[in-house]
Amino acid sequence: DAMVIQNPRYQVTQFGKPVTLSCSQTLNHNVMYWYQQKSSQAPKLLFHYYDKDFNNEADTPDNFQSRRPNTSFCFLDIRSPGLGDAAMYLCATSRVLVGSYEQYFGPGTRLTVT
Amino acid sequence: RKEVEQDPGPFNVPEGATVAFNCTYSNSASQSFFWYRQDCRKEPKLLMSVYSSGNEDGRFTAQLNRASQYISLLIRDSKLSDSATYLCVVTPSSNTGKLIFGQGTTLQVKP
Repeated sequence: DAMVIQNPRYQVTQFGKPVTLSCSQTLNHNVMYWYQQKSSQAPKLLFHYYDKDFNNEADTPDNFQSRRPNTSFCFLDIRSPGLGDAAMYLCATSRVLVGSYEQYFGPGTRLTVT
Repeated sequence: RKEVEQDPGPFNVPEGATVAFNCTYSNSASQSFFWYRQDCRKEPKLLMSVYSSGNEDGRFTAQLNRASQYISLLIRDSKLSDSATYLCVVTPSSNTGKLIFGQGTTLQVKP
């Protein structure tokens, strides 16, 4: 059974047209993360939620926003996608315990901007 | 300087070969260390954690040298199915669960 689910798996949007990617988890983990991964690059953390606390990375553009309405769901909103935002977007979860930081990733949403 | 650095490769090896990947990290206060595996166009998955005493899981051995800020992964008796990108991952000193990923090292095992 899938534990971290991302929808859609593939998303095509037009330049400047807002898009929302969704992530849900059945693990009841308290932390949820959004990463951007471009071809042949490391996943880049955009932001994460530790319970309800939102933590934005300093270099995440304002164009990227997130919502976490409850423990299970987290959304990534891209307000005005540019061509440079085409990438794989990965959602991950973890239960932060001392000495245990395993993150469970969803299958990703591949975003194309036309 | 990147926080986590890896040789991107690719490493092309024959089946049965032993291959080693290295990784260095810049923050001496980093707490935890991992190797993740990522298949082409798939999500990363945890391969193994890395402990100071070194640890082994079947054909895979991971080592950590805190003094040199260096992590390694050794794969013995390579299989075709080992072909993937191996990501070196580090947690910073803060206890938020945040992971810092290296660029990854690509391994291609050939028949």
